[in-house]
Amino acid sequence: EVQLVESGGGLVQPGGSLRLSCAASGFTSSSYWMHWVRQAPGKGLEWVSRTNRDGSSATYADSVRGRFTVSRDNTKNTMYLQMNSLRGEDTAMYYCAREYYGIVAGYYSDYWGQGTLVTVSS
Amino acid sequence: DIQVTQSPSSLSASVGDRVTITCRASQSINDYLNWYQHKPGKAPKLLIYAASMLQSGVPSRFSGRGYGTDFTLTISNPQPEDSATYYCQQSYSAAWAFGQGTKVEIK
Repeated sequence: EVQLVESGGGLVQPGGSLRLSCAASGFTSSSYWMHWVRQAPGKGLEWVSRTNRDGSSATYADSVRGRFTVSRDNTKNTMYLQMNSLRGEDTAMYYCAREYYGIVAGYYSDYWGQGTLVTVSS
Repeated sequence: DIQVTQSPSSLSASVGDRVTITCRASQSINDYLNWYQHKPGKAPKLLIYAASMLQSGVPSRFSGRGYGTDFTLTISNPQPEDSATYYCQQSYSAAWAFGQGTKVEIK
């Protein structure tokens, strides 16, 4: 059974840092691109970042570029999101998701974790 | 970056009605358009991929259509359990993007 479990959320002061983890099981994580998506309280889903299979390449939303860094350790089947210079507007539930690609099906996120909550406040 | 704009932001419908949500991309995305259902406290759930393909296990009352810049999600004969927020998502560019969401209440 495919499972994604996020961890590492918590309360952090503005300007601080936090590292989130996404542990994958039930599939070979090195075969898939992976994503981070967040939802601020009362707001919609916001795509955050995407990393390729070996972690050598990543794309970021404008709102986090230069402050967030995604990485992965495929020996541990785990993806990470290093969040620096955190702001109040980064307060959100953070989800990791697996990307599926098919020639006809295109690209989409087929499995998601339950999320980890990040609160940025003094 | 390619943006997607959803409408309406919310709607209320009754069982047996027909619900339609629209999504417009800022430039052509072919059929790289997906729809998700999100309920509070739950992980988002994929409903439709490639604009019109129904994800396995999703009830056939959900359908999608469109190509290029204009897309729709339709719920035929919606049920109370379909009350949720629905999002479109473009996966055409390297930086994906979600629409703003449509909160649907089924009475």
